[in-house]
Parts: sequence; C-alpha cells; structure tokens
Amino acid sequence: AQSVTQLDSHVSVSEGTPVLLRCNYSSSYSPSLFWYVQHPNKGLQLLLKYTSAATLVKGINGFEAEFKKSETSFHLTKPSAHMSDAAEYFCVVRSPGYSTLTFGKGTMLLVSP
Amino acid sequence: GAGVSQSPSNKVTEKGKDVELRCDPISGHTALYWYRQSLGQGLEFLIYFQGNSAPDKSGLPSDRFSAERTGGSVSTLTIQRTQQEDSAVYLCASSLGRGSGETQYFGPGTRLLVL
Repeated sequence: AQSVTQLDSHVSVSEGTPVLLRCNYSSSYSPSLFWYVQHPNKGLQLLLKYTSAATLVKGINGFEAEFKKSETSFHLTKPSAHMSDAAEYFCVVRSPGYSTLTFGKGTMLLVSP
Repeated sequence: GAGVSQSPSNKVTEKGKDVELRCDPISGHTALYWYRQSLGQGLEFLIYFQGNSAPDKSGLPSDRFSAERTGGSVSTLTIQRTQQEDSAVYLCASSLGRGSGETQYFGPGTRLLVL
C-alpha cells in the first residue's frame, strides 16, 4: 500500500521568510516522491521529484526537498517566500508496481506582505 | 511544445444527462491517466492507459464511468446518468513511460457541475 500525509492543511508565512511544508509517506517499497503546485484556476505543475538518486532534490523557483527514509518524510522548503508562491501544494507518492500516483490532501500556502 | 489539453474547460449539465470529457496528451506519451479533484476528497485516481495494454480501471467509482483511448492518443471519459456528486474537476495527465519515477504532466482540467 502507499499513502501520503500532509501535516498542515494551511501554512501562513510573511514574504521573505522561510517556507516549510511537511509530508510523510508510507510505502512498501522504495517509492518515487513528487511535489506538485497548483495555482488558483491553473493546472498542476511539477516542482520537483525524488527517484532514489540524491536525497536532497532541488526544484523550480528555489524550492527543494529532502528525502529522509528513517523518518519517512519528504518535506518541502524554500529559504525566502515570494508573494507568487501562494498556491496549493501536493505531496505525491508512487511505488514500483503501482499504476498511479497517490496524492496528499494538499497544503495551502498563504504569503502575506 | 504543447502540453496536455482538455476540453471543455467547463461543463454544466443536468442530473441524469451523459457527459463526455476529452483529453489530448503530449505527443509521444504512451501513458495517460484520469484523476478527479473534488472538495473534501482531494485528488483521486480514476483510470490509467498504457500503450495497447488493457486499462487499469481500479479507480472508477461506479459503472456509470467509462473511458477509452483511441489510437493510443486522445482519450474520452464518459459519465452516464450524471449525479450531483459527480461535480468535480476532472484532470488528465500523460507521461512518457510507465515507470514509477516518470513525471506526469497534467492538463488544466474540466470543471464539471451537475445541477
């Protein structure tokens, strides 16, 4: 079985401060992990993915995530938030042998001036 | 290049009517997926096509839902006798291959409202 838990439904930060969006996963095998972002009325866009190479993964727009097998976590971070980062973020898992992605419930990131 | 496209972008229908949703994947992508995004349920897998293999229909919520993929490219998701609980955004994605690490590229979705 595979599952994903996003620990916060909403995260609020001020522009210029760090961002941390938390994700824990469950998988019977070594999974691939993804973060997608969805801006209002827009499609899902891939931010970054982990596929058993380097555990620290860098993505677009300054985001990065670290795969920690011992903690079964894949938290998303960014050193300094920008207003344009305000969106909903989805942590996603896919295990070998599975046809499909399993999405977390999403975390809404709110960025205030 | 062109991404995944879906049509229509919005669809309003009356309860009991049938609807067809269309997806054009990225050219050359062999895998195609349908998902549903609704309030309170998040994103749910519906069906998966890979090349000429039989589709994985394990996510379809009822026999009112069906999908086909013609010529290994365009796909149509059909919902018969629509119900109000079918109201959601229907997302299509495609990927180059079937591996678990393959990136899935999503279309903008079709927003379905059943009155």
